Parts: sequence; structure tokens; C-alpha cells
Amino acid sequence: DAKTTQPNSMESNEEEPVHLPCNHSTISGTDYIHWYRQLPSQGPEYVIHGLTSNVNNRMASLAIAEDRKSSTLILHRATLRDAAVYYCILRDVGTGGFKTIFGAGTRLFVKA
Amino acid sequence: DTAVSQTPKYLVTQMGNDKSIKCEQNLGHDTMYWYKQDSKKFLKIMFSYNNKELIINETVPNRFSPKSPDKAHLNLHINSLELGDSAVYFCASSPASGGSTDTQYFGPGTRLTVL
Repeated sequence: DAKTTQPNSMESNEEEPVHLPCNHSTISGTDYIHWYRQLPSQGPEYVIHGLTSNVNNRMASLAIAEDRKSSTLILHRATLRDAAVYYCILRDVGTGGFKTIFGAGTRLFVKA
Repeated sequence: DTAVSQTPKYLVTQMGNDKSIKCEQNLGHDTMYWYKQDSKKFLKIMFSYNNKELIINETVPNRFSPKSPDKAHLNLHINSLELGDSAVYFCASSPASGGSTDTQYFGPGTRLTVL
């Protein structure tokens, strides 16, 4: 499975946008980029995923670089409830995709 | 309604004991998983079942035995518990066969403490 690299932690002010980066330089053409987040004392929850094009949903936006070697999760207006660990993950259709390999993630701190 | 539920939420037990954690999903999903999150917070997959069939076994000690009586349930039985088994165990499910676009839904976790 291809590896992802994320900063250990980031800090944001409430109601400001947050850009969470992820590097995946060994990504293959069939790897989908998924983001999950884990709020304190909870299980991870799905945020968004994409392959090549930028994606938007009610939670966030995903911007994928043209060469697909990096991506950015964008929270448009951070709230205190967005404080969590954010995981960037690659899922490969070739392997059947049963395995989701979680890295260390980025811990996001949101200041009021 | 809770989509993926686990019982118990907390489990404290002595070394050498045998214990079980139950997981149920009411989402109609075909695939279920068990993950272990250790004290360093790394989340590692242990098992995956698709339609009650074992798909992934990530070199987990054979003291851990998952059982899937039906598609909605995946239980985890642990024999001869060791101190290193202390962790939070998460159950998850996904709609299809775990393909590249499959989304996983996680339960709230079971915190296991082995004394």
C-alpha cells in the first residue's frame, strides 16, 4: 500500500478556513484518496474521497494536485467541533481495497 | 438509531482471562472489520469479513478469533488475554466488498484494559 505523509499537528482559529496537507508521492493510478477524522473518544468517521478531480461535500472539500502526489483537505470554516485527528488514506482498487491503512494523521487544534 | 454498535464500551479484566466483544451494524452492509488502536493511537486493521467470510487476517495472534454469525454481526473473542492486548478495539462496516471507493462506518469503540 502506498504511504501518506501528514504534519503531526496544525492549529486554526475558529471560523477560519483550514487546509490540511497530505503527501502521497508513491500513489498509483488506481489509488483513491480518502480522508477520515477521529474526534476525541470516538471512532473514525468518513469525511471525503476522490481520485483525480476536486471534490466537495457538506463536510469539506478535497483538492487533488494535478500529478496526484499530494492533496489538501479544506475545512471552509473551522469550528470547535472540528478539533480531531485527520487521516489521509489511499485505497487501491487493484488489491480489492479491503485494507485501509491509517497513518499517524494530523491533530487539528481549533482555538476560539 | 446507532449504525454500528459495540458492547461493552469498557472491559477491564485480568491477564489470562477469555473475553468477547460484540459488534452489530444495522446498515445492511456486506463487509465488517475489526481494528485495534493502541496507546500510541495508531489504528491497525485486524480482520475483515465479507458476507460472513473471512477476507483479511492481518497476522493477528490466533488467540484472537472473530466470528460472524450473520452479515450484521462480527464478534471478537480473545483467549488468554495479555497486557499488550490493552487497547481500544473498533468495529466498522462498509456497504460493498471494500472496494476503492467503499466508505467505512465505525463503531464507538471498546476500551479493553488487561491488568
